[in-house]
Amino acid sequence: RKEVEQDPGPFNVPEGATVAFNCTYSNSASQSFFWYRQDCRKEPKLLMSVYSSGNEDGRFTAQLNRASQYISLLIRDSKLSDSATYLCVVTGNNDMRFGAGTRLTVKP
Amino acid sequence: EAGVAQSPRYKIIEKRQSVAFWCNPISGHATLYWYQQILGQGPKLLIQFQNNGVVDDSQLPKDRFSAERLKGVDSTLKIQPAKLEDSAVYLCASSLAPTSAGTGELFFGEGSRLTVL
Repeated sequence: RKEVEQDPGPFNVPEGATVAFNCTYSNSASQSFFWYRQDCRKEPKLLMSVYSSGNEDGRFTAQLNRASQYISLLIRDSKLSDSATYLCVVTGNNDMRFGAGTRLTVKP
Repeated sequence: EAGVAQSPRYKIIEKRQSVAFWCNPISGHATLYWYQQILGQGPKLLIQFQNNGVVDDSQLPKDRFSAERLKGVDSTLKIQPAKLEDSAVYLCASSLAPTSAGTGELFFGEGSRLTVL
């Protein structure tokens, strides 16, 4: 089993749609969780941290379920500019493990 | 503020040749990472430095890959000899604190894209 697993997609949605991504992790001792965004042929950039209580940043909402070992990202009112690959990231003692990413394409 | 600088951006070599990549992290960032990203996969950590000491190199194929950060600033990653499966983007990242601090924000360079023929 991979340490961090994501549905690779692709997710193709129309503008204005709501889309959700899930990510599961295998190490129950994982400490911190994040979502990164990676545009085509660009470097990854931090989108948001994921807190136990859940957190929201504009149209983006992140949730963590430690019992089931998964995190989620919800994007509301999708924009064309949201098209990218979304990487789930889990930290342990000293390292950050990236998922393979979920590709999102938002279409007009 | 200047970001993470990497060079070269692109490199094409034949198998069994050698290649070196260079990284200059954001000023003041003590932690530096080299990641390998194969097409369609997420970044995989190769090595992590804290200043000029190695924190984690458990996934570095040491028979062919080496990395150094002699003065705790710039770093180089070398592959010798290269194999076909080394074709990937090599991403350098830096952070103020180690990932163990839980801050989560790594600043990545644009990457060095390697093609091995």
